[in-house]
Amino acid sequence: AQSVAQPEDQVNVAEGNPLTVKCTYSVSGNPYLFWYVQYPNRGLQFLLKYITGDNLVKGSYGFEAEFNKSQTSFHLKKPSALVSDSALYFCAVTKGDSWGKLQFGAGTQVVVTP
Amino acid sequence: GAGVSQSPSNKVTEKGKDVELRCDPISGHTALYWYRQSLGQGLEFLIYFQGNSAPDKSGLPSDRFSAERTGGSVSTLTIQRTQQEDSAVYLCASSLGLDTDTQYFGPGTRLTVL
Repeated sequence: AQSVAQPEDQVNVAEGNPLTVKCTYSVSGNPYLFWYVQYPNRGLQFLLKYITGDNLVKGSYGFEAEFNKSQTSFHLKKPSALVSDSALYFCAVTKGDSWGKLQFGAGTQVVVTP
Repeated sequence: GAGVSQSPSNKVTEKGKDVELRCDPISGHTALYWYRQSLGQGLEFLIYFQGNSAPDKSGLPSDRFSAERTGGSVSTLTIQRTQQEDSAVYLCASSLGLDTDTQYFGPGTRLTVL
C-alpha cells in the first residue's frame, strides 16, 4: 500500500518570505513523487516530479522540492512567495507497479498575504 | 496545444437518474485516468485506461459506475442510478504512457445530485 501525508491543512506566509509545504510518503520500493496545484474551480496543474536522479527537483513558477529518502519526505519550497501562489497544493505518490495510479495527500491550503 | 477537456463543466441531476461525463485527452496520449474529488474523501483514483483497455477497475466505488474509451481517445464515465453521495468533482487526466509520465488534468465536471 502507498500513502501520502500533508501534515498542515493550511500554511500562511507573507509575500516575499520563503514558502514550504510539507509532504511525507509511505511506499514499498522506489517512489515516484509529484506536486500539483489547484486554483479555485480549476483542475490540477502539474508543478514538478521526482522519478530518479538528483534529489533537488526544480519545477514551474520558481518551485522546487527535495526528495529525502531517509526521512521519506518530499517538501515543496519557493524562496520568495507571491500573493498569486495562494492556492491548494497536493502531493502525490505512485510506484512502478501501480501503473500511474496516483495516491494524493489531503492537500495544503497556502495563503500568501501582501 | 489543447489540454484535457471535460464536459459538461457542471451537471445537476436528480437522485436515481443516470449521468454521462465525457473526457477528451491530449492528442497522442495513450493513458487516461479518472479521479474523484470530494470534501469527505479528498482525491481518489477511479480507473485508468491504456489505449481502450481498462486493466484496473478497482477504484470504482460501486457497480453503478462504469467507464469506456473508444478509439484510444475520448472516454465516458457513466454513473447509473445516481445517489447523493456521488456528488463530487470528477477529474480526468491523460499522459503519454503509464508509470512515470506526467498526468495532465482537465478542469473537471462538478456533479450535484439532488
